[in-house]
Amino acid sequence: GQQVMQIPQYQHVQEGEDFTTYCNSSTTLSNIQWYKQRPGGHPVFLIQLVKSGEVKKQKRLTFQFGEAKKNSSLHITATQTTDVGTYFCAGSGGSNYKLTFGKGTLLTVNP
Amino acid sequence: GAGVSQSPRYKVAKRGQDVALRCDPISGHVSLFWYQQALGQGPEFLTYFQNEAQLDKSGLPSDRFFAERPEGSVSTLKIQRTQQEDSAVYLCASSTDGSAPLHFGNGTRLTVT
Repeated sequence: GQQVMQIPQYQHVQEGEDFTTYCNSSTTLSNIQWYKQRPGGHPVFLIQLVKSGEVKKQKRLTFQFGEAKKNSSLHITATQTTDVGTYFCAGSGGSNYKLTFGKGTLLTVNP
Repeated sequence: GAGVSQSPRYKVAKRGQDVALRCDPISGHVSLFWYQQALGQGPEFLTYFQNEAQLDKSGLPSDRFFAERPEGSVSTLKIQRTQQEDSAVYLCASSTDGSAPLHFGNGTRLTVT
């Protein structure tokens, strides 16, 4: 079945440093979505990427979808304490509704 | 309502008991999903409804798990004869259609003792 790997599992940064998390799929994806889950909370949708090579920005967050549509990344510039949480990528393959989530990257930020 | 509502928020069950978890999706959302999230893991797909039709139940771990959405709105996930390995957070999500972004509820944390 489809597998989605995410690295790193944990990342601790000083406030103001940059952060990147990477996502790799064992199969070609039709789309990839990114979610953020605060400690004790539920996943909250951030972005959806559909096109090969697509790049989208949301303020300090930059999302990329690979040319082969098998990998993606999320980059945060100048982290803030409000960025703390677990970032999940989730991809769908042939059946567009069925998302396979990665294990997530837990980001902690030291003020 | 403003968001997806799940109840109860926490449930403790003794091994062998049956439990029922409720999900009230965002009004008008035709798609409804159940996911299971173990501690430190990402959500794992359990089942998918489009309106009242259960189109995919391939993620349900065993025949002890049963989900329904009889009127195409509220959904219930039922787990019969709970086992310790069923302990997890059960997340419900809804969306405007199957491929649209998911709106998750706060989840039900099930602990089986």
